Amino acid sequence: EIVLTQSPATLSLSPGERATLSCRASQSVSNYLAWYQQKPGQAPRLLIYDASNRATGIPARFSGSGSGTDFTLTISSLEPEDFADYYCQERNNWPQFSFGGGTKVAI
Amino acid sequence: QLQLQESGPGLVKPSETLSLTCTVSGASIRRTTYYWAWIRQPPGKGLEWIGSTFYSGSTYYNPSLESRVTISVDTSRNQFSLTLSSATAADTAVYYCARDEMSTTAFWGQGTLVTVSP
Repeated sequence: EIVLTQSPATLSLSPGERATLSCRASQSVSNYLAWYQQKPGQAPRLLIYDASNRATGIPARFSGSGSGTDFTLTISSLEPEDFADYYCQERNNWPQFSFGGGTKVAI
Repeated sequence: QLQLQESGPGLVKPSETLSLTCTVSGASIRRTTYYWAWIRQPPGKGLEWIGSTFYSGSTYYNPSLESRVTISVDTSRNQFSLTLSSATAADTAVYYCARDEMSTTAFWGQGTLVTVSP
C-alpha cells in the first residue's frame, strides 16, 4: 500500500504570496500523481494530473512538479479564491488509488 | 454534459448496511475508458477511496474496507451502487461518486452526507 504524506498540514499566507505544497510517497509512483483543490461544501476539483499537466481551465499560476516519491504543487501568486484545501492522489496502481492527508492554505 | 448524482438514506443505524446509488446522466456508463468510483470524506477529515467498478462488473476495493464493501453496476439504468455492511460511527462521511480514468478523477457528484447513529 502506498502512503502519501502531505506537508505542511496548514500553510498560512497572504494574497499575492507564493504557496509551495509538498506530497511525498512511501514508494515510487513514477509521475502518476494528481492534485485536487477542495473548498468547503464542494466536491474536489482536479488541478494537475500526471504530476505536471494542468487540467482544462486551470489558471497558469498553478503548477506541479516532481517524479518518483517527491512532488510539489506551486501557486505562484495566491488569489483570494485559492484559499482552500489541497489533496494529492497517487494512481500508480490504477484503477486503485489513494489520497494524501491534505494541506489547508489559509489566510 | 456529464452529471453524477448520489442518492440514498442520510441516516443509518449502527450495525446496519449503508446503501447508496449514483445515477450517471449525459454519458453512458458503458464507456470502456472509464471506471466508476466511490470516495468518502468524514467530517473535517481527508478523502478516502472506497472502490471502483467497470461497466462489466469488474471491481477493485480499498483493502481496509474490502471485507464490508460491495460495488455493483446496472447498465440498463446507467447507475452504480455502494453497499457497506456493519456500519459504525466511523463510517459517517460525505460519500462521493465519481468518474475515473487513467490519469484523473475528473468528474465528481456533489456528495451526500450519511450519518451512522442510533
